[in-house]
Amino acid sequence: QVQLVESGGGVVQPGGSLRLSCTGSGFTFSDYAMHWVRQAPGKGLECVAVVMSAGNVKYYGDSVKGRFTISRDNSKNTLYLQMNSLRAEDTAVYYCARGAVVGTGPSQGFDPWGRGTLVTVSS
Amino acid sequence: SYDLTQPPSVSVSPGQTATITCSGDKLGDKYCCWYQQKAGQSPVLVIYEDAKRPSGIPERFSGSNSGNTATLTISGAQPMDEADYYCQAWDRTTVVFGGGTTLTVL
Repeated sequence: QVQLVESGGGVVQPGGSLRLSCTGSGFTFSDYAMHWVRQAPGKGLECVAVVMSAGNVKYYGDSVKGRFTISRDNSKNTLYLQMNSLRAEDTAVYYCARGAVVGTGPSQGFDPWGRGTLVTVSS
Repeated sequence: SYDLTQPPSVSVSPGQTATITCSGDKLGDKYCCWYQQKAGQSPVLVIYEDAKRPSGIPERFSGSNSGNTATLTISGAQPMDEADYYCQAWDRTTVVFGGGTTLTVL
């Protein structure tokens, strides 16, 4: 079945860096746009980054522009999120989510989602 | 920036119809999706492209989108439908989520 598994979360000090990974299985990874969506404790959903299927088109949320970088390795079925200059407000569960419709972008929604990985930014 | 507005909470009795709205400027010109998130779980897509249901989503879930408002309708809501619901759209280069609506069925 289609599955997404995130890893790389943890505790990091303000100003530090962390790299998240998401490995997909059960589908042709290179056919789909991929996304990172985060959820701060007790809060709603925020999409931080999008990468289209070929990896050459990327979009970022305003709150992370210039600090976070999304990338993908289609040969390894893996999505990445490099997070630099981390702040306390970046504390959240980070979800990896696949585009819902093959060959399309974020307008068609995200399906499925991984279980998430917790990032805590604290001194 | 583009904003999507949802009511914070909706409450219905079991078997009643639950209606959750999502408002945004000319939202009807964009695709709208809906997600269900139960406590402690990851979000699940329940409606995409305004009115389509992914496989495995019960028929009681339906969606519409026109003008400035998208609507998620749960016909014959069940206690298992208690969850937070989020709408989502794509505006130019930005993914936008609504603030979420907590549905209570009791």
